[in-house]
Amino acid sequence: ETGVTQTPRHLVMGMTNKKSLKCEQHLGHNAMYWYKQSAKKPLELMFVYSLEERVENNSVPSRFSPECPNSSHLFLHLHTLQPEDSALYLCASSQDSTEASNEQFFGPGTRLTVL
Amino acid sequence: GQNIDQPTEMTATEGAIVQINCTYQTSGFNGLFWYQQHAGEAPTFLSYNVLDGLEEKGRFSSFLSRSKGYSYLLLKELQMKDSASYLCAVWFSGGYNKLIFGAGTRLAVHP
Repeated sequence: ETGVTQTPRHLVMGMTNKKSLKCEQHLGHNAMYWYKQSAKKPLELMFVYSLEERVENNSVPSRFSPECPNSSHLFLHLHTLQPEDSALYLCASSQDSTEASNEQFFGPGTRLTVL
Repeated sequence: GQNIDQPTEMTATEGAIVQINCTYQTSGFNGLFWYQQHAGEAPTFLSYNVLDGLEEKGRFSSFLSRSKGYSYLLLKELQMKDSASYLCAVWFSGGYNKLIFGAGTRLAVHP
């Protein structure tokens, strides 16, 4: 257990569905992240939030919409996805988003399949 | 660019030593992490290097040469449970503070 939880762990959705991924951290951290991990590819940073403010949007298509209502919770809202969006979506948190030495703690991920 | 390069796969024998290399582009470098990721699980932190040299932590050690843009993770006395992917990640700063990951090295430990 890393102190970061994600739900659901698995999700299958059609291209016209709308769904949301949830992440919660119990570590008192100020920064939260969404990453995409596709097979045999590096983790790709999608979004960074620091103190509930989005500080990084890494050229992610608008069909992915993040929301950070407080420093402990992070959502990723999904709509009209494409099959190539099928991947493992990982949430992470760290004490600070600007301090290089702060390790990131990852959740177990949501395995998303888009049909 | 901020490419992180590491071998795709490695195999080793239980009880042996294995070294996993990682190279990166040095511009903007501000620290290097190694993470371990078992299949279907979250990446977990192994080590952090920001200064040149070797950091030892039990069976795992990590080395950094900033001038060469090179790091390695050394695993000693390999155990079956060490079979996992090992991710090298570099923190780049200079207007874009972010952690960039390599694709990972999948290590298989055999009896």
